[in-house]
Amino acid sequence: SQTIHQWPATLVQPVGSPLSLECTVEGTSNPNLYWYRQAAGRGLQLLFYSVGIGQISSEVPQNLSASRPQDRQFILSSKKLLLSDSGFYLCAWRQGNTEAFFGQGTRLTVV
Amino acid sequence: GESVGLHLPTLSVQEGDNSIINCAYSNSASDYFIWYKQESGKGPQFIIDIRSNMDKRQGQRVTVLLNKTVKHLSLQIAATQPGDSAVYFCAENIPSNTGKLIFGQGTTLQVKP
Repeated sequence: SQTIHQWPATLVQPVGSPLSLECTVEGTSNPNLYWYRQAAGRGLQLLFYSVGIGQISSEVPQNLSASRPQDRQFILSSKKLLLSDSGFYLCAWRQGNTEAFFGQGTRLTVV
Repeated sequence: GESVGLHLPTLSVQEGDNSIINCAYSNSASDYFIWYKQESGKGPQFIIDIRSNMDKRQGQRVTVLLNKTVKHLSLQIAATQPGDSAVYFCAENIPSNTGKLIFGQGTTLQVKP
C-alpha cells in the first residue's frame, strides 16, 4: 500500500534561518506531488506542484522554493525565513484522476 | 476558486442530528469531486468522492450530492457524532495534466453532546 511521510512534525525557527522540509512517498511510482500551506483557521493554499523529477511549478510568488531530486521525494526550502512563512505545511501525492493523499503536516513557527 | 484567505464558516449541530455541509465549485468542466475531513493538527483525510457522471453517492453514514446545473456539492452526515467534529473541505478536479485539485474554503463542524 502507499504511504506518505512528512517531517518534522513541528519546527520552530528564527527569522532569517534556512528551512528544509522533506516529504517521501512509498508504494507508487511517478506520482504528482504537491506542497500546500494552511494558515490557522484558513483553507489550503497550493504552493508548488511537480509532475516529475526536476519539474517544479510555483503557484504563488514567495520566499520558498521546492525541489524533487528523486521520483518520490519532494523538498520545500527557504534560504531565509520570514515571520509570514509560519503556518501548517502539507505534502500530498496524487496519481491519475483519483483522490490526493496528504501527509500529517509540519507546523512551522518562525520567531 | 481557492478561498484560502477567508475564515472558515462554522456549522454547529447536536449529536445525533444530521449534518449538511455545502460547497460551491468554480468550474463547469470539473469532472471529479472529493470531500476531505481535517482534524486539528492533522492532514486532510479522504471521506468520499463522486464523478461528474453521477449525482449521488453513498458511503457509511455519509452521502455526497452533486448538482452540476448550479455547480453545487453537498456532504450529508447521518447521526452526527462528536468524532465528526473537524474541518471539512470539498475539492474539484479540473481536467489537466497537472492533477491539481482546487479546494473550497472549508467548513468547521462542531458537534454538541
